[in-house]
Amino acid sequence: SQKIEQNSEALNIQEGKTATLTCNYTNYSPAYLQWYRQDPGRGPVFLLLIRENEKEKRKERLKVTFDTTLKQSLFHITASQPADSATYLCALDNNAGNMLTFGGGTRLMVKP
Amino acid sequence: EPEVTQTPSHQVTQMGQEVILRCVPISNHLYFYWYRQILGQKVEFLVSFYNNEISEKSEIFDDQFSVERPDGSNFTLKIRSTKLEDSAMYFCASSEVSTGVIGNTIYFGEGSWLTVV
Repeated sequence: SQKIEQNSEALNIQEGKTATLTCNYTNYSPAYLQWYRQDPGRGPVFLLLIRENEKEKRKERLKVTFDTTLKQSLFHITASQPADSATYLCALDNNAGNMLTFGGGTRLMVKP
Repeated sequence: EPEVTQTPSHQVTQMGQEVILRCVPISNHLYFYWYRQILGQKVEFLVSFYNNEISEKSEIFDDQFSVERPDGSNFTLKIRSTKLEDSAMYFCASSEVSTGVIGNTIYFGEGSWLTVV
């Protein structure tokens, strides 16, 4: 069956450092992968999308890599700030274009 | 910034009662979705809706669930006879085109927290 796995343990880092979060998937052949941010009690907010033929995508302090051989995406936040503290979700489309499957998310805590 | 709005923000209902959760998607969007998140668990897909019909649904979306677009602006999720395990945050979402279109963004509402007692 299809699975998307993210590290369920919280990631604690110091302000100014780079946070790296991992998303692994099995039994998928996604055309692209998405990353979302979710704050407690709030809905997911879209951050970045990376296509299968893109190795890397950047948006301001965010960087995403996508390795379809390893079936893994890495999500980096450089120069992290306490305001970056949230849960980060990766999501894959079902290739029919009408549903997303989310990973369990990784909670990031950035300490001042 | 356009947004998806949901009502109510929180509802408590007795087991066996019917519940209707309401959503106003972003005005020019054509694809509508419901997702749910049980406390501490993953965001799970329920159903997608396009052109006034369901385009995809998950195993969770059984006969006790239904969706409707009663007018040009609202999108509703009805749970016919609620169970304790239906307690969750229900998110409505919308997108201009399908999630299969590269670069498309899906916008989520802030959720309706349903507690079944």
